Amino acid sequence: AQSVSQHNHHVILSEAASLELGCNYSYGGTVNLFWYVQYPGQHLQLLLKYFSGDPLVKGIKGFEAEFIKSKFSFNLRKPSVQWSDTAEYFCAVSRYGGSQGNLIFGKGTKLSVKP
Amino acid sequence: DGGITQSPKYLFRKEGQNVTLSCEQNLNHDAMYWYRQDPGQGLRLIYYSQIVNDFQKGDIAEGYSVSREKKESFPLTVTSAQKNPTAFYLCASTGPGLAGLETQYFGPGTRLLVL
Repeated sequence: AQSVSQHNHHVILSEAASLELGCNYSYGGTVNLFWYVQYPGQHLQLLLKYFSGDPLVKGIKGFEAEFIKSKFSFNLRKPSVQWSDTAEYFCAVSRYGGSQGNLIFGKGTKLSVKP
Repeated sequence: DGGITQSPKYLFRKEGQNVTLSCEQNLNHDAMYWYRQDPGQGLRLIYYSQIVNDFQKGDIAEGYSVSREKKESFPLTVTSAQKNPTAFYLCASTGPGLAGLETQYFGPGTRLLVL
């Protein structure tokens, strides 16, 4: 069965620190990969996604993620975090390598940024 | 504005009671989904519907039921058989996004609490 693992449950950083959140998935076929963000009290929203092509994907608010097929990874990065990045981040993979329906989510990583 | 609405924002259930969570979308999306979010668990798929009058069980369908009589609406009933219903429930739909690639949109969620 497909699964998604997020390595860190809670990450605490100071403003301007660099961020990398790990995500690994278990599926040997074609995958579509996503990062979602949930700011406190707000909807879950799409941060970025990878379908094909350039494995380095740029998303909103300065986030990017790199798909490394050989490592089954899709880590999220940001060079310099801000207090407003405090949120919960979810990695997800679409089942059967298809569209964005039927997503499998990781358990999430809470990011707390200290001002 | 186009989007997904969920009501109510908070819902209280008594022991042995069935409750229904509403999800409406005006995005003209065919596919709709219900997820349950628990702390430290990420999102888990309860039910999904790819088209009107059709729906499929997700990973944790026991104790839940759905209907899809209209394209815009996908209500979720939490039955008395669901022994641990306290959670945050998220509805989503899938439709065309950036560059024609499908994107999943989420509603604001309903928090269900058991009295």
